[in-house]
Amino acid sequence: RKEVEQDPGPFNVPEGATVAFNCTYSNSASQSFFWYRQDCRKEPKLLMSVYSSGNEDGRFTAQLNRASQYISLLIRDSKLSDSATYLCVVNARSSGSARQLTFGSGTQLTVLP
Amino acid sequence: EAQVTQNPRYLITVTGKKLTVTCSQNMNHEYMSWYRQDPGLGLRQIYYSMNVEVTDKGDVPEGYKVSRKEKRNFPLILESPSPNQTSLYFCAKGNIYYEQYFGPGTRLTVT
Repeated sequence: RKEVEQDPGPFNVPEGATVAFNCTYSNSASQSFFWYRQDCRKEPKLLMSVYSSGNEDGRFTAQLNRASQYISLLIRDSKLSDSATYLCVVNARSSGSARQLTFGSGTQLTVLP
Repeated sequence: EAQVTQNPRYLITVTGKKLTVTCSQNMNHEYMSWYRQDPGLGLRQIYYSMNVEVTDKGDVPEGYKVSRKEKRNFPLILESPSPNQTSLYFCAKGNIYYEQYFGPGTRLTVT
């Protein structure tokens, strides 16, 4: 089982739609959670961190469910510019002493006019 | 502005010819790392460095070396590249508990 799993999509949605992505993680000791956005052939960029209480940034809402070990990202009123791949990222202690970031494979979103 | 620069951006080479991909950062971050990205496999960490002269293996270190002689630079070295190292490589800096800033990527093809 992968440490961080995402539905690869693609998700094709019309402008203005609401879309939700889920991500599951296997390490119960994971402490930090993030959503990154990656445009085609570009570097990933932090979209938002995910806090235990859930957090919102404009049209984007992130939720964490520690009991079920999943995080979610909700995008409301989607725009054409939201088309990208969304990466779920988890920080957990690896088999070594240091913590590592583990990336999901990403969920591809295309917003259609 | 937090910046990570990588060079070269594109490289086509032949099997066995040693190469180095450079990575530099401008904000004195202690943590730096290298990732490779392959279709369907996502980003996988190759090596990371917590500070000068402190490096450690990530998930896929085989066939790679790194060095951290000064805080701003973290080169990735392929002593004898092979075709299975054809990939998109990203250098990153930042804090593993917070935001990572990625470089623009290096697209490597080994024939």
